[in-house]
Amino acid sequence: QLQLQESGPGLVKPSETLSLTCSVSGGSITNANYYWGWVRQPPGKGLQWIGSMYYSGSTYYNPSLKSRVTISVDTSRNQFSLKVNSVTATDTAIYYCARHFGPALDSWFDPWGLGTLVTVSS
Amino acid sequence: DIVMTQSPDSLAVSLGERATINCKSSQNLLYSSNNKNYLAWYQQKPGQPPQLLIYWASTRESGVPDRFSGSGSGTDFTLTISSLQAADVAVYYCQQYYTTPFTFGPGTKVDIK
Repeated sequence: QLQLQESGPGLVKPSETLSLTCSVSGGSITNANYYWGWVRQPPGKGLQWIGSMYYSGSTYYNPSLKSRVTISVDTSRNQFSLKVNSVTATDTAIYYCARHFGPALDSWFDPWGLGTLVTVSS
Repeated sequence: DIVMTQSPDSLAVSLGERATINCKSSQNLLYSSNNKNYLAWYQQKPGQPPQLLIYWASTRESGVPDRFSGSGSGTDFTLTISSLQAADVAVYYCQQYYTTPFTFGPGTKVDIK
């Protein structure tokens, strides 16, 4: 059964870079049938798509975050990563990694990782 | 961006009664070439990630109880819980995957009356 797990620092200082990794187990990130994405959720609020990628390296970002976000893949470790630079308090959120279901980017998210809370504070 | 709205913001339903959640998109989510609506529904319980319930607006995910059903087309969609159970207390989100940026509704909180 495919499982995803986010990891990274839980506290980041304002203006610094948030870095998270999603480790995939029970399946290969190079499976041509799937895309992989990041979604975040500020505490007590709704869900925002950050961006997604294909194992080949193609990336797709939310324009509202595009200037600050980088998603990359490490196929040797079966992981993909998220970097958000110049963070502020508004970037405080639970960050989820998830798989797109299906051989196209335009598909739903399933499954999701458990999420990791990142707080931006000095 | 496609804006997703949901109504109501919250609702309380007696056990065994029907719960209905509405989702509206600012643009058509029906792709004419395959006649599919690019809309999903998720359930999120406290402290847990969202869990897929419905995709293609009306296809129930494997393992999801049949009391959950999705309907609608174009810009107006509905999630119905036919007989509310205690385990269904959660926040429910709709999401469009018709085009990027993928967007979610603000969520509807379902409680027991």
